[in-house]
Amino acid sequence: ETGVTQTPRHLVMGMTNKKSLKCEQHLGHNAMYWYKQSAKKPLELMFVYNFKEQTENNSVPSRFSPECPNSSHLFLHLHTLQPEDSALYLCASSQDSGRIETQYFGPGTRLLVL
Amino acid sequence: DQQVKQNSPSLSVQEGRISILNCDYTNSMFDYFLWYKKYPAEGPTFLISISSIKDKNEDGRFTVFLNKSAKHLSLHIVPSQPGDSAVYFCAASAQYSGAGSYQLTFGKGTKLSVIP
Repeated sequence: ETGVTQTPRHLVMGMTNKKSLKCEQHLGHNAMYWYKQSAKKPLELMFVYNFKEQTENNSVPSRFSPECPNSSHLFLHLHTLQPEDSALYLCASSQDSGRIETQYFGPGTRLLVL
Repeated sequence: DQQVKQNSPSLSVQEGRISILNCDYTNSMFDYFLWYKKYPAEGPTFLISISSIKDKNEDGRFTVFLNKSAKHLSLHIVPSQPGDSAVYFCAASAQYSGAGSYQLTFGKGTKLSVIP
């Protein structure tokens, strides 16, 4: 497996469910990111982890909870979501978020909240 | 307020011709710019980048031009091929003072269709 992988690719959940999105990077990078892409909007940065430490939280509601157990894995735990949270969730990685670098993206998880 | 703008949601070009995708930005702190390409059901794929100290960067059929005074960049694809049909995102990077992370700010994208 190469690059950045995300599972599941598609997810449908009710507002009372709890689910998790998983991201894994095989690039030897130290920084990982969660982005949200809603219809007709630009990609929005949610969280940044650098060397397993969270360095950015862009005012994301607490119903989204990230977890980064090591530099290769990133999770996004979801609970009591709202229908407006339906979107494409993208994970990315780069060598080090403290440097100007290219970020590499996974294929995304398409989330639908009913 | 959108800091990175791609004002053309779509563009159609004949195969073999030049495709020009445009991007404008407002934040003068941006110092690194990237173009990503996205096919349906896939994540964005890095295409080409340019540092603010340069005004041009070329990679095969792809050239990015940066005009800092106008806060404008463009991506030229010559010659355009049907496989280039995708959504193209412009992104700009700046270091935010909070914890020192470089963050990417994206435009909404331009859908390019290359007609055979």
